[in-house]
Amino acid sequence: AQSVTQLGSHVSVSEGALVLLRCNYSSSVPPYLFWYVQYPNQGLQLLLKYTSAATLVKGINGFEAEFKKSETSFHLTKPSAHMSDAAEYFCAVGEPTGGFKTIFGAGTRLFVKA
Amino acid sequence: SQTIHQWPATLVQPVGSPLSLECTVEGTSNPNLYWYRQAAGRGLQLLFYSVGIGQISSEVPQNLSASRPQDRQFILSSKKLLLSDSGFYLCAWSRLQVTNYGYTFGSGTRLTVV
Repeated sequence: AQSVTQLGSHVSVSEGALVLLRCNYSSSVPPYLFWYVQYPNQGLQLLLKYTSAATLVKGINGFEAEFKKSETSFHLTKPSAHMSDAAEYFCAVGEPTGGFKTIFGAGTRLFVKA
Repeated sequence: SQTIHQWPATLVQPVGSPLSLECTVEGTSNPNLYWYRQAAGRGLQLLFYSVGIGQISSEVPQNLSASRPQDRQFILSSKKLLLSDSGFYLCAWSRLQVTNYGYTFGSGTRLTVV
């Protein structure tokens, strides 16, 4: 069964610094991988997704993620943090069969300091 | 364009009272539908999913039930709420049998059981 591990429940960066949110997955088949963002008291919004077309995936708001099969990782990065990036980020893996469910990681809360 | 509506936004209910949360999708047909719960400071727990009218799969045995009376309507219910049912409930949809599409989430319902 697929699973997702997000390293670090909280990450704090200064405004303008690099953002790196770590995600490792476990999957017995080629995975579909996603990053979502959640602002307080809101639903989740899809940031980007990997579907085997390219290993480096660009998403909204300047975020990107790189799929590394050898490391079973899908880390999320942004070159320069902005105050508006403060939110909770979820890595997720999609199951290709059955109910086509998505399994979410526990989430990483990103704090951005002025 | 597709939209998803979820209501109410907030709800405070006494222990032992019934619950009904509704979710509707517009602009698409035959969606996969999902109910997730997010407890304070935790990730997303899949509660139910549906791949068609009347087809409900339960992921976690609990005090809740789900129904799909129409193609684009998904209802989460309980006959008697428990304190442990408190949380943030999220409805989501995805394209039928397409895992790599990603989810679109509703704005959520904050349920507090007192």
